Amino acid sequence: DTAVSQTPKYLVTQMGNDKSIKCEQNLGHDTMYWYKQDSKKFLKIMFSYNNKELIINETVPNRFSPKSPDKAHLNLHINSLELGDSAVYFCASSTRPHEQYFGPGTRLTVT
Amino acid sequence: AQSVTQLGSHVSVSEGALVLLRCNYSSSVPPYLFWYVQYPNQGLQLLLKYTTGATLVKGINGFEAEFKKSETSFHLTKPSAHMSDAAEYFCAVSGTGGSYIPTFGRGTSLIVHP
Repeated sequence: DTAVSQTPKYLVTQMGNDKSIKCEQNLGHDTMYWYKQDSKKFLKIMFSYNNKELIINETVPNRFSPKSPDKAHLNLHINSLELGDSAVYFCASSTRPHEQYFGPGTRLTVT
Repeated sequence: AQSVTQLGSHVSVSEGALVLLRCNYSSSVPPYLFWYVQYPNQGLQLLLKYTTGATLVKGINGFEAEFKKSETSFHLTKPSAHMSDAAEYFCAVSGTGGSYIPTFGRGTSLIVHP
């Protein structure tokens, strides 16, 4: 069984569209995260979330929003997509402050 | 605030040579330290971690790292590089100053020449 899964693996869309990326973990962890990895491999944390608190990286545009229907899922919604949103997005989970388990990534291309 | 510095965005070694990837962190209290590896088109996976106890930590694939508090370092080593070690390596720190949000270094790309 895959520990952290993401769908879709690839996402190609046009500027201005709204899209979502889904993430599920079956590890029973209490905290989930979203990261953005740019073309230079720099990893930037976007959100940290458990059922008690949401921590947002203040540099993340409010066009990005996490939605958690339950403890095992954390989806990422992106409104009004821009060219600069093109990147690989990773979901991860952990029992903080311990190691993170990453999903396989979603490569988003905005044209 | 915690921070991580990885010295060298690219490290190139010959197959069979020693691998040394450097990581320094800033923290006022003993942190939790991690090394992750990312193979092409994959997510990150844990190589090894330091939480408490023994300062020399062994991980998967023959890698190890030593926590040196006096130097605020957590360098990653492997005695003999394999072609399959070519990947991106990330050092990370968490658990300092009451923050459980991890901070990642900018990554080091390991290139292994035959």
